[in-house]
Amino acid sequence: ETGVTQSPTHLIKTRGQQVTLRCSSQSGHNTVSWYQQALGQGPQFIFQYYREEENGRGNFPPRFSGLQFPNYSSELNVNALELDDSALYLCASSLQGGVTEAFFGQGTRLTVV
Amino acid sequence: DQQVKQNSPSLSVQEGRISILNCDYTNSMFDYFLWYKKYPAEGPTFLISISSIKDKNEDGRFTVFLNKSAKHLSLHIVPSQPGDSAVYFCAAREGSYNTDKLIFGTGTRLQVFP
Repeated sequence: ETGVTQSPTHLIKTRGQQVTLRCSSQSGHNTVSWYQQALGQGPQFIFQYYREEENGRGNFPPRFSGLQFPNYSSELNVNALELDDSALYLCASSLQGGVTEAFFGQGTRLTVV
Repeated sequence: DQQVKQNSPSLSVQEGRISILNCDYTNSMFDYFLWYKKYPAEGPTFLISISSIKDKNEDGRFTVFLNKSAKHLSLHIVPSQPGDSAVYFCAAREGSYNTDKLIFGTGTRLQVFP
């Protein structure tokens, strides 16, 4: 059992709206990464947070933003939702600077209509 | 441009036989490779990994082979079991002490039939 939990599990939003997804990291892990998995694709790196600061970003526009809290939990915010934002959003926690087997949550399925 | 490629979208294997899943990569700076297994409605689960300084790593029924000169890795599952039926993702880590960014392939759906 990974201990990484995400909420909500499913979400439907309208184009143009904003959404916040949440992630609780595994105990002892200080790093959270967010990935977007579109249908039929592998997960794509959005960004990573370490000690409450963004520590690396993938090829996603600024309307994708995040936060990490002192307890290492994290939020992913997406503004001005587009239809192509429909995907499974995965959160992964790991221990920074060590051998990395990132542990993933079950994901949040976002549908934009 | 896809830096990690899994060219076989699906694979069907009989129970008890060997399953071989393949993965190719283009970036010689990748320093660590991982395989994840994913069931529907669940997040990917870590399976096995290999450092770029090794050519083989084994864990029970799972063995990963790395051929750096060919930029190719493979996952062998022996013997295959019906519970192994899932989507398998190959992932590579971009080498950096403080970065855990993983680059994933598109996945291979493995079906193990009785």
